[in-house]
Amino acid sequence: EVQLVESGGASVQPGGSLRLSCAASGFTFSSGAMHWVRQAPGKGLMWVSRINGEATSITYADSVRGRFTISRDNTMNTLYLQMNSLSAEDTAIYYCVGDRGGMGGPWGQGTLVTVSS
Amino acid sequence: DVVMTQSPLSLPVTLGQPASISCRSSQSLVHSNGNTYLNWFQERPGQSPRRLIYQVSNRDSGVPDRFSGSGSGTDFTLKISRVEAEDVGVYYCMQGTHWPPYTFGQGTKLEIK
Repeated sequence: EVQLVESGGASVQPGGSLRLSCAASGFTFSSGAMHWVRQAPGKGLMWVSRINGEATSITYADSVRGRFTISRDNTMNTLYLQMNSLSAEDTAIYYCVGDRGGMGGPWGQGTLVTVSS
Repeated sequence: DVVMTQSPLSLPVTLGQPASISCRSSQSLVHSNGNTYLNWFQERPGQSPRRLIYQVSNRDSGVPDRFSGSGSGTDFTLKISRVEAEDVGVYYCMQGTHWPPYTFGQGTKLEIK
């Protein structure tokens, strides 16, 4: 079964850090780009970051550049998102998404990050 | 950044009736390679989003043929020929031509009247 399973979401204080993980199975993880997409409570979808299969091309949304770092371990079939200097505006469900021609999937179930004092 | 504007934002529809969602981009989505990277996503209540349509009009595997996409340049439309109960949710358009960033529309909430 093609699957992405995120983990690492938690409640953290402003200024804190978290690392999200996304474990892939059922497909050739190393061959394709991956994304992180987030959804704030009651809001729409927002693209966060993209990494290509070889991790040689990485891009970020302006709102997270310099604070978030996307990476991947193709030997472990895992995608990561290191999030530093978190603020309330980063509170959201974070989804990892397979690119497959434009976020065609799979999509994970999401992991909730809450930034609050 | 390319701004994606959807309308309407709320769409009450009677079961069995058609539905249409408009998506406009702030600049043409035709890529230099000739392709247009405009996708549609569905987010059902309590579920992760999934892509329905890619490159304007191509249905993803498993998507019912009552869903269709059309348009060109800056104006795009998602149509549902006959709305079923399982179609309730929020629909988003997204452009992947001028990235980064990839940008989504605000979302259109489809509900049954």
